[in-house]
Amino acid sequence: ETGVTQTPRHLVMGMTNKKSLKCEQHLGHNAMYWYKQSAKKPLELMFVYSLEERVENNSVPSRFSPECPNSSHLFLHLHTLQPEDSALYLCASSQAQGTGQPQHFGDGTRLSIL
Amino acid sequence: SQQGEEDPQALSIQEGENATMNCSYKTSINNLQWYRQNSGRGLVHLILIRSNEREKHSGRLRVTLDTSKKSSSLLITASRAADTASYFCATDLWVGAQKLVFGQGTRLTINP
Repeated sequence: ETGVTQTPRHLVMGMTNKKSLKCEQHLGHNAMYWYKQSAKKPLELMFVYSLEERVENNSVPSRFSPECPNSSHLFLHLHTLQPEDSALYLCASSQAQGTGQPQHFGDGTRLSIL
Repeated sequence: SQQGEEDPQALSIQEGENATMNCSYKTSINNLQWYRQNSGRGLVHLILIRSNEREKHSGRLRVTLDTSKKSSSLLITASRAADTASYFCATDLWVGAQKLVFGQGTRLTINP
């Protein structure tokens, strides 16, 4: 299996639920990213991990909690979400070698908050 | 904001025609990247142009960069139905790790 794989592809949850999104990359990259894509808005960078250390947190609400246990896996833990959190959540990976690296994206998890 | 802004927001052309999409940004950049997104899928990297380059080609794609105007364009020649997708430019920054700042994209529809 190659590329970036995200699971689940679709998730419907209530506002009081706790769930996790998973991302796995098989490209040998050492930087991983979470993005949020909402209708009518640009892709928003949420978190960046480089060499398994978080280096960017774009003022994301604490109801989103990332975890990067190793360079191949990335999780986004969700709890007490709001309806405005419904969106497509995309994971990406790249080499952590400065700028000029293409990022490789998974197909995303479509999240719906009831 | 260093966000890129694409123009037009939507473009519909006939198969075989050329499609041009434009991107403007606000601050100095190291690189600029273009991505494609098919409906319901993730983004796919198309091409990267460095700040010291003015033009770059990849197959039917041609990208230009004008750093004095803070703008870039993506040209797709001899368009095909399979080119129907959204296209995004992204400025490429370093914040201790790579940070891409995306525009809102151009929705391209190729009519058969």
